[in-house]
Amino acid sequence: EDQVTQSPEALRLQEGESSSLNCSYTVSGLRGLFWYRQDPGKGPEFLFTLYSAGEEKEKERLKATLTKKESFLHITAPKPEDTATYLCAVQASRNEKLTFGTGTRLTIIP
Amino acid sequence: DAGITQSPRHKVTETGTPVTLRCHQTENHRYMYWYRQDPGHGLRLIHYSYGVKDTDKGEVSDGYSVSRSKTEDFLLTLESATSSQTSVYFCAISSGTGYYEQYFGPGTRLTVT
Repeated sequence: EDQVTQSPEALRLQEGESSSLNCSYTVSGLRGLFWYRQDPGKGPEFLFTLYSAGEEKEKERLKATLTKKESFLHITAPKPEDTATYLCAVQASRNEKLTFGTGTRLTIIP
Repeated sequence: DAGITQSPRHKVTETGTPVTLRCHQTENHRYMYWYRQDPGHGLRLIHYSYGVKDTDKGEVSDGYSVSRSKTEDFLLTLESATSSQTSVYFCAISSGTGYYEQYFGPGTRLTVT
């Protein structure tokens, strides 16, 4: 069974204080690992797809990396508008389904 | 933003009544999905569709049925709503051809009293 564990559950940072969110996964044959951002009352917003170990993707203050067992979402010099819940999901190569973690609730304090 | 709308956005209903939620897309994507999101459980797949009239079950399909008669519409029906089905429901779409990311709609908050 595919599993995704995200840590920490919640993280509070001062504006400008860089940190990383972790996503550990087990999947039989990884097709892709996905990162999403979710604001309160809204649907998840797609950020990145990573397909193989060693791959990195960047978008503004966010950088996602992937190993064979985990992915990190690095946030550099965050701003209050980065406050959101960040979700990680994996897709096995055998099907079209995503398995989601329960997310990291990130709060950036001005 | 991906062209996905969900209706209604909010609904309160009584236990035992039937409820249908609608997802509409303008992207002509092949795959459509229904998820529910509950505190502590994250997003869980209810049903998905890989084409018109082609559907399959997800991990939490009991008590739910789906239909897809047109590419753009995917309906989720609760035949007899229960309080355990109080949740936020999200529809998602995916092209399924080379790019596997899913794009989500705005959600429907359903309360069963």
